[in-house]
Amino acid sequence: GAVVSQHPSWVICKSGTSVKIECRSLDFQATTMFWYRQFPKQSLMLMATSNEGSKATYEQGVEKDKFLINHASLTLSTLTVTSAHPEDSSFYICSAKRYKGQGEDTQYFGPGTRLTVL
Amino acid sequence: AQSVAQPEDQVNVAEGNPLTVKCTYSVSGNPYLFWYVQYPNRGLQFLLKYITGDNLVKGSYGFEAEFNKSQTSFHLKKPSALVSDSALYFCAVSLMNTGFQKLVFGTGTRLLVSP
Repeated sequence: GAVVSQHPSWVICKSGTSVKIECRSLDFQATTMFWYRQFPKQSLMLMATSNEGSKATYEQGVEKDKFLINHASLTLSTLTVTSAHPEDSSFYICSAKRYKGQGEDTQYFGPGTRLTVL
Repeated sequence: AQSVAQPEDQVNVAEGNPLTVKCTYSVSGNPYLFWYVQYPNRGLQFLLKYITGDNLVKGSYGFEAEFNKSQTSFHLKKPSALVSDSALYFCAVSLMNTGFQKLVFGTGTRLLVSP
């Protein structure tokens, strides 16, 4: 299989606090992980691409100082929303690609994390 | 610009009938094409993909899709719909100029299968 987990599945926080979301590939190594956000009834928008051991590449318009991404190992990437505000409330979804040597091109998605900022 | 279009916001079909969810793409070069399904408050589940080879691709849960280069389409199909197929379906393309790293998603089509 190709299972990706996210933790937590939902989180409510106060405005101004920081929230960390974890994304793990459970049964494969992922050199590349992606972070998306999805607003209600809308499509997924790529926020950043995360490669193990290097800095993340952010999409245009995404504040890298606000959305901190760390990809410390081949199975774990974290997204930290710093100084969260109500407009950051969204559904955050990560995905992971298998290690290139395994010849896989598919992104496998986590179940998502619902963030609500009060 | 490279993009994916899903022209229908919603598709309604009766259980047992065939279903089609449409997708067209506009990219430079040869695309990698994907279909994903999303159930409420869940992440996306991979259904199938086209990379190269046979234009008819078979995937999970009885779904299939046909790559049509001349019409730049990749429509998702199933011969007999189930109520449990009701969900949000996304078509996506992987871009050559990103080393096939990034996915660009369509806006999604909600499939509603009635009993």
